[in-house]
Amino acid sequence: AQKVTQAQTEISVVEKEDVTLDCVYETRDTTYYLFWYKQPPSGELVFLIRRNSFDEQNEISGRYSWNFQKSTSSFNFTITASQVVDSAVYFCALITGANSKLTFGKGITLSVRP
Amino acid sequence: KAGVTQTPRYLIKTRGQQVTLSCSPISGHRSVSWYQQTPGQGLQFLFEYFSETQRNKGNFPGRFSGRQFSNSRSEMNVSTLELGDSALYLCASSLAGGQSEQYFGPGTRLTVT
Repeated sequence: AQKVTQAQTEISVVEKEDVTLDCVYETRDTTYYLFWYKQPPSGELVFLIRRNSFDEQNEISGRYSWNFQKSTSSFNFTITASQVVDSAVYFCALITGANSKLTFGKGITLSVRP
Repeated sequence: KAGVTQTPRYLIKTRGQQVTLSCSPISGHRSVSWYQQTPGQGLQFLFEYFSETQRNKGNFPGRFSGRQFSNSRSEMNVSTLELGDSALYLCASSLAGGQSEQYFGPGTRLTVT
């Protein structure tokens, strides 16, 4: 069975601070995909990134960056120079094999104060 | 391109009633998945439909069912509603399912009284 752990439940930062959201996953499959989603107060889950298990390259997209380390089964997400609009709940998720079932972590509530 | 749409956005039902939720995927997407989100259990997978066939199913009782039409639109039905069914129900569409990115709709907030 697969599992995603987001140990941090709530994080509060001041605008312009950098913040890292941790994600640890468990799976016995060698082929899997990791995702991050953002859920603003409106409720809709917004896709941020997908990473497959064979690609350990870190990725940067604007102020967002992701660090994938198979050795520690982690897929962490960093927001640089945070902004108030980054306030949301962030979910890490996992898909294994060929099925479409996303296994989500419990989510991290990020509050960015002006 | 229009995103995933879900109707209705809000519903209030009474215990014992049944409810049908609707989801229209992104144009060209053939896979539709449904998720339930509650404060206690978080986000849980209900089922996935692809080309009108249920391809995957989560651990929910038979009261939860769904279907997909030839235009890829999907409906989810919950019969004999229980208080614990109060949740945000999210629909996600993807091109082909599997490991493809899933794009979510705004959800239907169901309250059972």
